[in-house]
Amino acid sequence: EPEVTQTPSHQVTQMGQEVILRCVPISNHLYFYWYRQILGQKVEFLVSFYNNEISEKSEIFDDQFSVERPDGSNFTLKIRSTKLEDSAMYFCASTLGPNQPQHFGDGTRLSIL
Amino acid sequence: AQSVTQPDIHITVSEGASLELRCNYSYGATPYLFWYVQSPGQGLQLLLKYFSGDTLVQGIKGFEAEFKRSQSSFNLRKPSVHWSDAAEYFCAVVVGNQFYFGTGTSLTVIP
Repeated sequence: EPEVTQTPSHQVTQMGQEVILRCVPISNHLYFYWYRQILGQKVEFLVSFYNNEISEKSEIFDDQFSVERPDGSNFTLKIRSTKLEDSAMYFCASTLGPNQPQHFGDGTRLSIL
Repeated sequence: AQSVTQPDIHITVSEGASLELRCNYSYGATPYLFWYVQSPGQGLQLLLKYFSGDTLVQGIKGFEAEFKRSQSSFNLRKPSVHWSDAAEYFCAVVVGNQFYFGTGTSLTVIP
């Protein structure tokens, strides 16, 4: 069964540095998402992406965040100047269409020092 | 505003016992409803979904869930729990293009 893959599985970064989290969605999916899960808390929506542009974003997704689909397969989340509170698991998801079940990757654990 | 409530933060059941995890949602219309499971260090795996039609839906791993409009609930059930079912369970509602997750219920299974 096709899977969403995320790399790296764990990223350790100094505060203030830029970090890029990478995702390869399922190949025929059209909608892409990023979520964040701070340790011990619920999964929070960050952003959805369709047709090469952001379709929705939450209040968490401020100017330090950006997403890109640089080629036909990758979907990236960039955090420009990381803060301690950015430490979390970041999950990528993809789906064929809106309101459809989302398929999640295994996540990237981001640790900000 | 849309919200999803999972009132039980942590549940412990004996292996072989039945299980029910509660989920309530707040949304004007009938939303699309999902249950996901998350094993430690893993991503979210879809257990089952409800869009419309039969209010009792069957999922993977022997799970089922029942949509009750009058109670705004979508509780997850399993008749006989296995030790491998120990995980975090998340109920989710999708509205438009955005998923709203509950805070999760952590399931511990004791021998």
